[in-house]
Amino acid sequence: NAGVMQNPRHLVRRRGQEARLRCSPVKGHSHVYWYRQLPEEGLKFMVYLQKENIIDESGMPKERFSAEFPKEGPSILRIQQVVRGDSAAYFCASSASGTLSSYGYTFGSGTRLTVV
Amino acid sequence: AQTVTQSQPEMSVQEAETVTLSCTYDTSESDYYLFWYKQPPSRQMILVIRQEAYKQQNATENRFSVNFQKAAKSFSLKISDSQLGDAAMYFCAYRRYRGGADGLTFGKGTHLIIQP
Repeated sequence: NAGVMQNPRHLVRRRGQEARLRCSPVKGHSHVYWYRQLPEEGLKFMVYLQKENIIDESGMPKERFSAEFPKEGPSILRIQQVVRGDSAAYFCASSASGTLSSYGYTFGSGTRLTVV
Repeated sequence: AQTVTQSQPEMSVQEAETVTLSCTYDTSESDYYLFWYKQPPSRQMILVIRQEAYKQQNATENRFSVNFQKAAKSFSLKISDSQLGDAAMYFCAYRRYRGGADGLTFGKGTHLIIQP
C-alpha cells in the first residue's frame, strides 16, 4: 500500500526552463494538496485539487505556476520560466476527503527544485 | 487569517529526558484541528499527534503528548524519554474544522537535537 509518491526527488533547472513536478496520491485518495517549503521555513499551502477541479488556489503565485489533477494519472505542478526564487522543496499531500478529514494528510517526501 | 508561531528555533535535550516544544496560534474560529508533524533529514513529513479543538482531553500517542490550552491558544508538544530517533524538525500546524478548503497553516518549525 504505497503512500504518496512524488517524482522526481531532485530536479535541477536553469533559469527560464519549465519544471514539472508529479504527485501520485495514496490509492483511493481523491484530494491533493501542494505545499512549498523554502529554506528554514515551514510549509506554505499552495493549492488544493480534487479530480479535474481546482478547489482552492489561494496560495499559488499568480503567474508561471499552475496545477492539475486529471481524471487519470498523477497531479502535476508546473512552474514555467523558473527563477532562482523558485528553488524550494515542493510537497504533495493527499487525503480521502477534504473538509471532513481530521487526520491531517499523508505527505510525500517532496521534490527539491534547484534553479541554477 | 490564521497564524502559527513556534518561538523556539532550536531545542536540545539529553537522551531519555523530557522536552517540551511550544506552539501558539491565532484564530477567530471556535472549532479547528491542531497537529504536530515531524520532519527528519529524509524530508518526509510524519504526523506525530493531532488534537480536535472541541475535545478538552489532551491527546497522547505513546511518548508524545500535548498540552492544549484553548483559551490561551497554546498547543505544546511533550516528548518523554527522548530517543536519538526523535531528532528532527517539528512543525505545529492548524486547520479549520469545516468549510476549510484551504490547507494546513504551519509554524516555522523547531529543530530538536538529542544529545546522547
